[in-house]
Amino acid sequence: DTEVTQTPKHLVMGMTNKKSLKCEQHMGHRAMYWYKQKAKKPPELMFVYSYEKLSINESVPSRFSPECPNSSLLNLHLHALQPEDSALYLCASSLNGLAGTDTQYFGPGTRLTVL
Amino acid sequence: AQSVTQLDSQVPVFEEAPVELRCNYSSSVSVYLFWYVQYPNQGLQLLLKYLSGSTLVKGINGFEAEFNKSQTSFHLRKPSVHISDTAEYFCAVIEGVKGNTPLVFGKGTRLSVIA
Repeated sequence: DTEVTQTPKHLVMGMTNKKSLKCEQHMGHRAMYWYKQKAKKPPELMFVYSYEKLSINESVPSRFSPECPNSSLLNLHLHALQPEDSALYLCASSLNGLAGTDTQYFGPGTRLTVL
Repeated sequence: AQSVTQLDSQVPVFEEAPVELRCNYSSSVSVYLFWYVQYPNQGLQLLLKYLSGSTLVKGINGFEAEFNKSQTSFHLRKPSVHISDTAEYFCAVIEGVKGNTPLVFGKGTRLSVIA
């Protein structure tokens, strides 16, 4: 099983809503990542969890709140988002963490639209 | 800090013709290099990677890339493209010496295969 799954596939929310994105992997990977990708742009790293601890936060606004309940799950809680936060949110995982030899495996993404 | 330059934002090519997508990187230390493909409305899929050893790396779907340390390049090639290869291609680099450094993506090259 080399799959990273993400739910939901699509999400439309208002600026006052609270929602969550979910990511799951069963490859035994101990590092998980959230990326944001705007149209026609490369992915931008948001957060990295390594062994269930937050190891990188790329100065992301507090309206995005990550959570890693266990080694297989990664959530991204969303609150009071802005229309410019509309993007494809990608989850990825890798075996051990930010070691150079670790390959990151990506999920299909959640397409988020903020109205 | 490392950076990645993909010299062509768009590459149109006729079906069954060869293609080369160019990638140059800058880093003062050793690096690991990756090519990812993103089909429309999907996540990223690993095509191939260079970690060490032979500088010619073969990947999935008939793609290959050659690591050239003196020219700091990692160009992606395919001898005969298919319509199904139409996608966005991202070159990415991670510094190999120290841990806890994120994957850095180039801006992407849009490959359009014309029938």
